[in-house]
Amino acid sequence: DAKTTQPTSMDCAEGRAANLPCNHSTISGNEYVYWYRQIHSQGPQYIIHGLKNNETNEMASLIITEDRKSSTLILPHATLRDTAVYYCIVRGRTALIFGKGTTLSVSS
Amino acid sequence: ETGVTQTPRHLVMGMTNKKSLKCEQHLGHNAMYWYKQSAKKPLELMFVYNFKEQTENNSVPSRFSPECPNSSHLFLHLHTLQPEDSALYLCASSQPGRTSTDTQYFGPGTRLTVL
Repeated sequence: DAKTTQPTSMDCAEGRAANLPCNHSTISGNEYVYWYRQIHSQGPQYIIHGLKNNETNEMASLIITEDRKSSTLILPHATLRDTAVYYCIVRGRTALIFGKGTTLSVSS
Repeated sequence: ETGVTQTPRHLVMGMTNKKSLKCEQHLGHNAMYWYKQSAKKPLELMFVYNFKEQTENNSVPSRFSPECPNSSHLFLHLHTLQPEDSALYLCASSQPGRTSTDTQYFGPGTRLTVL
């Protein structure tokens, strides 16, 4: 499975867009990019996933570069409840492989 | 609410006790997973079941014994645990497909403390 690199932490002001980057330079052609988040001591929550095209749902947007070596998760209007650890995962085999993720802190 | 429930939410047990964790999914999925998350560490996969059959055991010690009686229920039987087994135990389910796109949905977890 391809590995991912994410910043350890990021800050965002409430109401502003949060842009979380992820590098996955070794991704292979049939691997998807998944994003999950985990609010303190809760189970991870699925956010969005994509292969090549940009994706948008009610929670977020996912922008994948043309060469697929990096992606950005966008939370358009961050709220205090978006404070969590965000995991970028490249999906290969059966199970998800979680890294350390990015701790996003949203403040008022 | 993800459609995956876990009980109990919190459990404290001694090293000589035997206890079980329960997971139930209401999503019609055919794959279920157990993960372990120790303090300040990433989630670690423990077991995978597809259509009630165990398809992956990630070198988990035998003091953890999974059971999958049907596609909707998954148990983790615990016996003679060690204090370092204290962690958040998470269950997930997904609907396997031919591609790598089966999304896993997680339960809220069981916070286990071994004294």
